[in-house]
Amino acid sequence: DQQVKQNSPSLSVQEGRISILNCDYTNSMFDYFLWYKKYPAEGPTFLISISSIKDKNEDGRFTVFLNKSAKHLSLHIVPSQPGDSAVYFCAAIGFGGTSYGKLTFGQGTILTVHP
Amino acid sequence: GAGVSQSPSNKVTEKGKDVELRCDPISGHTALYWYRQRLGQGLEFLIYFQGNSAPDKSGLPSDRFSAERTGESVSTLTIQRTQQEDSAVYLCASSLAPGGNTGELFFGEGSRLTVL
Repeated sequence: DQQVKQNSPSLSVQEGRISILNCDYTNSMFDYFLWYKKYPAEGPTFLISISSIKDKNEDGRFTVFLNKSAKHLSLHIVPSQPGDSAVYFCAAIGFGGTSYGKLTFGQGTILTVHP
Repeated sequence: GAGVSQSPSNKVTEKGKDVELRCDPISGHTALYWYRQRLGQGLEFLIYFQGNSAPDKSGLPSDRFSAERTGESVSTLTIQRTQQEDSAVYLCASSLAPGGNTGELFFGEGSRLTVL
């Protein structure tokens, strides 16, 4: 049961343009949604998060949008830079029941930003 | 060190052998997680420790997998009688509180396991 899904395995964007990474989820009990970034041979690093009670969170070039009715979130990177090229993982976490504190990840999207 | 440390960084073993993977979390972090990433796939949850106990071990794929944590610090993931499908990068993460309060976990660089 894939509770967090990233349906696009890859995305290619020109430097300076907007990158939009998408994520869908099925569990309405998640409390927070996050994006992690991963470079080759490194562990994932936290990028940005959003509470389930919000619909937008912005941090510099990164903005996460949450649409609870559609169970969909997206990460916008504007403007995209070549250094943003990495694998981006969508993740979700709940603090209730047996899944307390467990982070569930999507499959990842490989972002390539071309100079 | 300042971050999560994992060892070995690379391990090649023969099918049927046992392997141990070690994780040193960030000092003071009470929660510790093990995930794995098989080639071309996402991060798969294995087990989670709060202190030295494991409230959620639902992700362990079989009874060949076990993990322990001692002193609310170091954790060891043991895979017995390894199979080729165990080949993956095994990632450890830690956080101050379960789920890092908002989901922010700190990951190590992972241990790449190759089973021949």
